[in-house]
Amino acid sequence: AQSVTQPDIHITVSEGASLELRCNYSYGATPYLFWYVQSPGQGLQLLLKYFSGDTLVQGIKGFEAEFKRSQSSFNLRKPSVHWSDAAEYFCAVGIKAAGNKLTFGGGTRVLVKP
Amino acid sequence: EPEVTQTPSHQVTQMGQEVILRCVPISNHLYFYWYRQILGQKVEFLVSFYNNEISEKSEIFDDQFSVERPDGSNFTLKIRSTKLEDSAMYFCASRFQGNTEAFFGQGTRLTVV
Repeated sequence: AQSVTQPDIHITVSEGASLELRCNYSYGATPYLFWYVQSPGQGLQLLLKYFSGDTLVQGIKGFEAEFKRSQSSFNLRKPSVHWSDAAEYFCAVGIKAAGNKLTFGGGTRVLVKP
Repeated sequence: EPEVTQTPSHQVTQMGQEVILRCVPISNHLYFYWYRQILGQKVEFLVSFYNNEISEKSEIFDDQFSVERPDGSNFTLKIRSTKLEDSAMYFCASRFQGNTEAFFGQGTRLTVV
């Protein structure tokens, strides 16, 4: 069965600083990879996704993620964080053979200092 | 922009009562999902639904749970006899055939007291 690990439970970053959130997955083949963001009291919004092709993918809100097959990683980055980026971020894996159901990581809560 | 709509946003129910959580998926989507997130924990898959039947369910989705698409627009999750541990945020999601990404609703927070 696939699994997703987000090693950092909390990250605090200063506004304007760069941000990197780590995600590692375990699966025999290359799955579909996603990053979702959840603002307090809100639902899950898709930031970006990777299926195939270029391993650096761009998403909304200035986020990007890089797929590294050798490391089974799909880390999320943003060069300059805004206060509105404070939220919880979830990495997820989808398997086509499993009806594209998603397996989520535990999430990383991002706090932004002024 | 089309979106998945869930109602109610918050429901409080007494233990042992039945609840129905409602979802209106995006209109041309054919695959539907329910996930839940217990407070402070990860989002977990409950069930997927396609062509008017369950295509996959997790071990969480036991006999107290059921899903239904009663008409052409709604997708419901019924919990027959709620327990305290059913308190969670429940997310509905839908997906267009041929696409891989699912779109999530805003969630229904269920509180069982």
